[in-house]
Amino acid sequence: EAQVTQNPRYLITVTGKKLTVTCSQNMNHEYMSWYRQDPGLGLRQIYYSMNVEVTDKGDVPEGYKVSRKEKRNFPLILESPSPNQTSLYFCASRAYGANVLTFGAGSRLTVL
Amino acid sequence: DQQVKQNSPSLSVQEGRISILNCDYTNSMFDYFLWYKKYPAEGPTFLISISSIKDKNEDGRFTVFLNKSAKHLSLHIVPSQPGDSAVYFCAASPGANSKLTFGKGITLSVRP
Repeated sequence: EAQVTQNPRYLITVTGKKLTVTCSQNMNHEYMSWYRQDPGLGLRQIYYSMNVEVTDKGDVPEGYKVSRKEKRNFPLILESPSPNQTSLYFCASRAYGANVLTFGAGSRLTVL
Repeated sequence: DQQVKQNSPSLSVQEGRISILNCDYTNSMFDYFLWYKKYPAEGPTFLISISSIKDKNEDGRFTVFLNKSAKHLSLHIVPSQPGDSAVYFCAASPGANSKLTFGKGITLSVRP
């Protein structure tokens, strides 16, 4: 089944404790992206990647890092999480030339 | 600067009636528009799209209308069903391989 898989789905952590949210897609998509969803703010792009080793900032990149060492994986790294990063995170991917994004099921992160 | 606006946060409709979800945009470079549906605890899923060369696209109970001069699009659901209750995101991009910009979403409730 074609899908985007995120882990963990739920996480409660404390301020300053580094964490990584993994994202993997099995569709051989070139483009991958991370979004966060917050009440009243909709979906905002954090980082995106056009292909392996090519990443760029989205609208709200502060406090986040990403890497794209393999085509299928695009982890989101929070080096020193803060409470304002409490949010629902979505990873998404699409093929080159396509407009439609396929989303993962989401990762709900709470930073205390 | 919000380039894709969904000004109504919620809509409640009786089962069997028409649901009309509105979306406005400000960027005249946008030429491809999509609607996504999101259920709780799931990722957004693609629903329907329209390119700027068209003014209407229909898929079963779902129809999207585009008014380029007014920079306005709408999603019509006829007839509405309780299973349509979800958050609907409008999104736009200036073309393939370009960033997708999302609105804040609208919560649709269809009453039995």
